[in-house]
Amino acid sequence: EVQLVQSGAEVKKPGESLKISCKGSGYSFTSYWIAWVRQMPGKGLEWMGTIYPDDSETRYSPPFQGQVTMSADKSISTAYLQWSGLKASDTAMYYCARGDTTSYSRWGQGTQVTVSS
Amino acid sequence: QSVLTQPPSVSGAPGQRVTISCTGSSSNIGAGYNVHWYQQFPGTAPKLLIYGNHNRPSGVPDRFSGSKSGTSASLAITGLQAEDEADYYCQSYDSSLNNNVVFGGGTKLTVL
Repeated sequence: EVQLVQSGAEVKKPGESLKISCKGSGYSFTSYWIAWVRQMPGKGLEWMGTIYPDDSETRYSPPFQGQVTMSADKSISTAYLQWSGLKASDTAMYYCARGDTTSYSRWGQGTQVTVSS
Repeated sequence: QSVLTQPPSVSGAPGQRVTISCTGSSSNIGAGYNVHWYQQFPGTAPKLLIYGNHNRPSGVPDRFSGSKSGTSASLAITGLQAEDEADYYCQSYDSSLNNNVVFGGGTKLTVL
């Protein structure tokens, strides 16, 4: 069974760093792009960018370029999303999703990130 | 403001047919990019409902259908049921954004 399992909820203070994870199983992890999608409280889905785990090629949506870093460790079938200096406006649910040509058929359960002083 | 425009809300009575529109432009839907639709219940991850404009993944009831014409796409739900109450999002690509993925703003479906 194809699964994406994300790391647990995080509560951080402004300025702190954070790295959340998304572990794939049940398929060839290096053969599919992994995207990250933000959903702020009560808002819609925002595509942040994507990474190809085989060679770690990344593409970022302009609003997120320079704000986050996507990486992957193909040896453990895990993709990561990290921040070096969190802001209160980073408070959101973050989803990873597996790219199937142009749609996303498999999603992680989401990681809630709360940034508050 | 989303590149793909959806109505914030639609509603219908059980058994009725509702449609949700997704309006784009010549740089996304009108450029020939496929449109996909997702269903999201509160507190859960989105689920792929329609892919490639009109295809249903295994397990999605045939009450859900998708279409695309010109710079717009639509999701139709027939025989509306209470459990269809959810948020619905369209998704495509945009050539003016380095072929990046774009989502519609989402539509809240209320079953009366």
